[in-house]
Amino acid sequence: AQSVTQPDIHITVSEGASLELRCNYSYGATPYLFWYVQSPGQGLQLLLKYFSGDTLVQGIKGFEAEFKRSQSSFNLRKPSVHWSDAAEYFCAVGSTGRRALTFGSGTRLQVQP
Amino acid sequence: EAQVTQNPRYLITVTGKKLTVTCSQNMNHEYMSWYRQDPGLGLRQIYYSMNVEVTDKGDVPEGYKVSRKEKRNFPLILESPSPNQTSLYFCASSLRDRNTEAFFGQGTRLTVV
Repeated sequence: AQSVTQPDIHITVSEGASLELRCNYSYGATPYLFWYVQSPGQGLQLLLKYFSGDTLVQGIKGFEAEFKRSQSSFNLRKPSVHWSDAAEYFCAVGSTGRRALTFGSGTRLQVQP
Repeated sequence: EAQVTQNPRYLITVTGKKLTVTCSQNMNHEYMSWYRQDPGLGLRQIYYSMNVEVTDKGDVPEGYKVSRKEKRNFPLILESPSPNQTSLYFCASSLRDRNTEAFFGQGTRLTVV
């Protein structure tokens, strides 16, 4: 069964600092990978996705993620965090054989001024 | 504006009293699904629908029903709610299947007492 692990429940960074949120997945074939962001009281918004091709994908709001097959990882990065980035971030994996997205448990990002 | 609309946003009900949470999308999407979000568990799929009159169970379908009589609507029905169904519920839609971008509603916070 496929699974997604986000090992960091809560991360605090200073505004302007760089950010990396970790995501590890378990799946037998090439996965479809997503990062979503959930602002307080809001639904989920897609930041970026990886299906195939270039392993470094660019998303909205200055985010990027790198797919590393050897490490089964899809970490999210941003070079300089803004206060408005404070939110909860979810990594998700989809597959051709299973009609569902499997989400990680989320990482809550707090940004200090 | 492209959107997924859920109603109500907040609902407090008593054990055993049937309720329906509505979901409507205006993007002509074929694929719709329901998730519940619980602390530390991320989002888990309850039911999904590939098209009109085609529905199937997700990871946590017990205690829920759905119907898809029209392409735009996908209501979630709790025929006899119990306190363990207290959760935050999200409806999502996407163009073809779960591997394209999913658009989420604003969420429905349900409390069953």
